[in-house]
Amino acid sequence: AQSVSQHNHHVILSEAASLELGCNYSYGGTVNLFWYVQYPGQHLQLLLKYFSGDPLVKGIKGFEAEFIKSKFSFNLRKPSVQWSDTAEYFCAVNARQAGTALIFGKGTTLSVSS
Amino acid sequence: DVKVTQSSRYLVKRTGEKVFLECVQDMDHENMFWYRQDPGLGLRLIYFSYDVKMKEKGDIPEGYSVSREKKERFSLILESASTNQTSMYLCASSPLAGGRHNEQFFGPGTRLTVL
Repeated sequence: AQSVSQHNHHVILSEAASLELGCNYSYGGTVNLFWYVQYPGQHLQLLLKYFSGDPLVKGIKGFEAEFIKSKFSFNLRKPSVQWSDTAEYFCAVNARQAGTALIFGKGTTLSVSS
Repeated sequence: DVKVTQSSRYLVKRTGEKVFLECVQDMDHENMFWYRQDPGLGLRLIYFSYDVKMKEKGDIPEGYSVSREKKERFSLILESASTNQTSMYLCASSPLAGGRHNEQFFGPGTRLTVL
C-alpha cells in the first residue's frame, strides 16, 4: 500500500530562516505529488504540484519543491520564511492509475516567530 | 474559482444520533471525497466517489456511509454517531483528467463534536 511520510511533526523557525520540510513516499510506479497548506482557520489550499517534466517545481508564495525519484522524495523548500508562513503543511501522493485517491502525510506544523 | 461548500462549520450531536454532512461543489467535478482531519494523524480518507451513485471505501469507512445522487453533491452519513467520531470533516472535489486524479479543492470543513 502507498504511504507518505513527513519527517517533522513541528518545526519552529525565526523569520528569514530557510525552510526544508521532508516528504517521502512509498510507491514504485509513476506518481503525482502535491504540497498543501492550511493557514490557521482557513481551507486547505494547494501550494504546488508535480506531474511530469522539470523536477523542481515552483509554487505560490515563494515555495518550491524538488522531486527526486531515486529517493522517493518531494521536499518542500523556501529560502526565507515569514511570520505569515505559520501553518500546517501536508504532502500528498497519487499513483498514476485510475481509481487511486490522494494519500496524505500526517502534516508538519510550521511556527515562525517574528 | 472552484467553490466547495459544506453545510455547517460547527455541529454538536449526541451519541447515537444520525448525522448528515453535506458537501456541494460548483465546478462539475467528477470526483468527490470525504476526509477526517485529526491532530497528529493528518487527513484520512473515509469515502470517495467517481460519479453519481458510485462510491469507494477509503481507509477508514467504518461507521460511515455516503450518498451521491447528484454530481455536485456528496453527503457523509454517520449512522449512529459515537464520541470517537468527534473530528474535523473535510470535503474535496477534483476533476478527472485522463483517468488520473488531479488537484483536489477543499471545503472549509465541519467541526463535529459528539457528546
